[in-house]
Amino acid sequence: NAGVTQTPKFQVLKTGQSMTLQCAQDMNHEYMSWYRQDPGMGLRLIHYSVGAGITDQGEVPNGYNVSRSTTEDFPLRLLSAAPSQTSVYFCASRGGSGELFFGEGSRLTVL
Amino acid sequence: RKEVEQDPGPFNVPEGATVAFNCTYSNSASQSFFWYRQDCRKEPKLLMSVYSSGNEDGRFTAQLNRASQYISLLIRDSKLSDSATYLCVVNIGNQFYFGTGTSLTVIP
Repeated sequence: NAGVTQTPKFQVLKTGQSMTLQCAQDMNHEYMSWYRQDPGMGLRLIHYSVGAGITDQGEVPNGYNVSRSTTEDFPLRLLSAAPSQTSVYFCASRGGSGELFFGEGSRLTVL
Repeated sequence: RKEVEQDPGPFNVPEGATVAFNCTYSNSASQSFFWYRQDCRKEPKLLMSVYSSGNEDGRFTAQLNRASQYISLLIRDSKLSDSATYLCVVNIGNQFYFGTGTSLTVIP
């Protein structure tokens, strides 16, 4: 039962570098989403997708890009990393009862 | 104004105690409501959905008051294993809004 799988679990970047956080789910969920979690802020929605080929912005989309070419995969791209993007990133998909299933998280540090 | 507000705590309670958490939400169009549990440095996991009529799952009871726009979680007979952060979550359409979480520590 893989559920939602995120890679990498840890990453250190230098300011200005780009990278992609990978997210895959094997539950055939149409809805997938990315969140960042910062101390005292709670989880905030970055981008979401309601199906292959469809993406939309959440609360904090600036500095991030997404695409959804398949039902299973929903990668998050940081185009030019900034220290303000240091955070824990969670990918989640939505089940039939409306609940979210989360990956284990990716801890990103931008120096 | 934040969509979802929670008292961050911390709540430190002895084993066997009853503890209640409240959460308020600002958008009356909110459709679905959940409580999630998050252990330190782990991903959030669904504890329970919250229904208008209230619902119970073992030692956990969730209530929703749409008129006052608040959600509550009651934990009875607290166990050491209940120590975690509890997140209140509200869903509007395709967006989910999370509270900052309430920290609970159950003390032996």
